Amino acid sequence: DAGITQSPRHKVTETGTPVTLRCHQTENHRYMYWYRQDPGHGLRLIHYSYGVKDTDKGEVSDGYSVSRSKTEDFLLTLESATSSQTSVYFCAITGGIASGNTIYFGEGSWLTVV
Amino acid sequence: AQKVTQAQTEISVVEKEDVTLDCVYETRDTTYYLFWYKQPPSGELVFLIRRNSFDEQNEISGRYSWNFQKSTSSFNFTITASQVVDSAVYFCALSEAGSGGSNYKLTFGKGTLLTVNP
Repeated sequence: DAGITQSPRHKVTETGTPVTLRCHQTENHRYMYWYRQDPGHGLRLIHYSYGVKDTDKGEVSDGYSVSRSKTEDFLLTLESATSSQTSVYFCAITGGIASGNTIYFGEGSWLTVV
Repeated sequence: AQKVTQAQTEISVVEKEDVTLDCVYETRDTTYYLFWYKQPPSGELVFLIRRNSFDEQNEISGRYSWNFQKSTSSFNFTITASQVVDSAVYFCALSEAGSGGSNYKLTFGKGTLLTVNP
């Protein structure tokens, strides 16, 4: 199994509060991604990183920000959580060619905004 | 824009039946990767297979097999002699294979819920 740890795994928060999800990897992979999973939508890309301090937006980036200050950690922040951000969040990593172009996912973080 | 279609929303079979999950994709890229992931009721995403666009050989892994056909833009997944433990949501996904930071972004289908009944 790929060494990916997401925290917290489960969180309930109130509307308007900031929330940060952490993805930690032990594989030294270059690329990291945050997806959200919602019924009827499958998984959609929020943000991704292609190196330390190198990030870019995905399909559904509004309301989210990310940071990557070191290779192993990729943080996803909801500056002011809304009910529409209730979802399951998955982190993914790949080393590209270095890892056979395979993409592995973390176990997911269940976020409920009330 | 890339697109992945899994037309089967739900499939229900009886144990030991064979079942095929369909996946059709759209892309303008000549080089790309196709993936299948399994999401059991516990919620994690389990990697099953990656196939690059240059390799059209079918692949078999135990009871699992995959049929990749570029001519029809399909990458179908067959489970032979299904078991209750195969019950899960299965996702097909497509990624670019270009250069730069957009590498490996995945476009997912909406998934197929497979229920295998005893």
